[in-house]
Amino acid sequence: AQSVTQLGSHVSVSEGALVLLRCNYSSSVPPYLFWYVQYPNQGLQLLLKYTTGATLVKGINGFEAEFKKSETSFHLTKPSAHMSDAAEYFCAVSDPGTYKYIFGTGTRLKVLA
Amino acid sequence: DAGVTQSPTHLIKTRGQHVTLRCSPISGHKSVSWYQQVLGQGPQFIFQYYEKEERGRGNFPDRFSARQFPNYSSELNVNALLLGDSALYLCASSLGGTAYEQYFGPGTRLTVT
Repeated sequence: AQSVTQLGSHVSVSEGALVLLRCNYSSSVPPYLFWYVQYPNQGLQLLLKYTTGATLVKGINGFEAEFKKSETSFHLTKPSAHMSDAAEYFCAVSDPGTYKYIFGTGTRLKVLA
Repeated sequence: DAGVTQSPTHLIKTRGQHVTLRCSPISGHKSVSWYQQVLGQGPQFIFQYYEKEERGRGNFPDRFSARQFPNYSSELNVNALLLGDSALYLCASSLGGTAYEQYFGPGTRLTVT
């Protein structure tokens, strides 16, 4: 069965510092991988996705993620944090065979001035 | 273009009652998925519909049901409400397959008392 693990339910970084949010997945087939962001009282917004091809994926708002099959990881990074990045971030995996999407438990990012 | 819309925004029901939540997808999207997001957790997959057929189902009891209409809008029905059904219910639409990103609505906040 597929699963997603997000290490660190809360992450704090200083404004301008590197953002690193960790995501590991478990899947018996090549998965599709996604990162979403959720601001308070809003739905989820797609940051980026990996389906096939280049393993380094660039998304919106300066975020990027690298698919590492050997490590079953899809960590999200941003070189310089901005106050507006404070939100909850979810990693998700989809199984092309079952049409199910599995979300991680989320990481709440706090950006310190 | 309008995004995914959901109604109602908030809902308060009593244990044992029935509830119907509604979702209108982005124009041109033929797939609708439903998720339950309990406070502090990631979204849990409930259903996916594509071209009016159920294509995926998560681990939810039979009290949960859904359908998709010819115009691709969708309803989620929950019978015999339990206190534990209190959550944010999210609807997402996409073009179709699991490689496609999902676009989320703002959700319906259901409180069961």
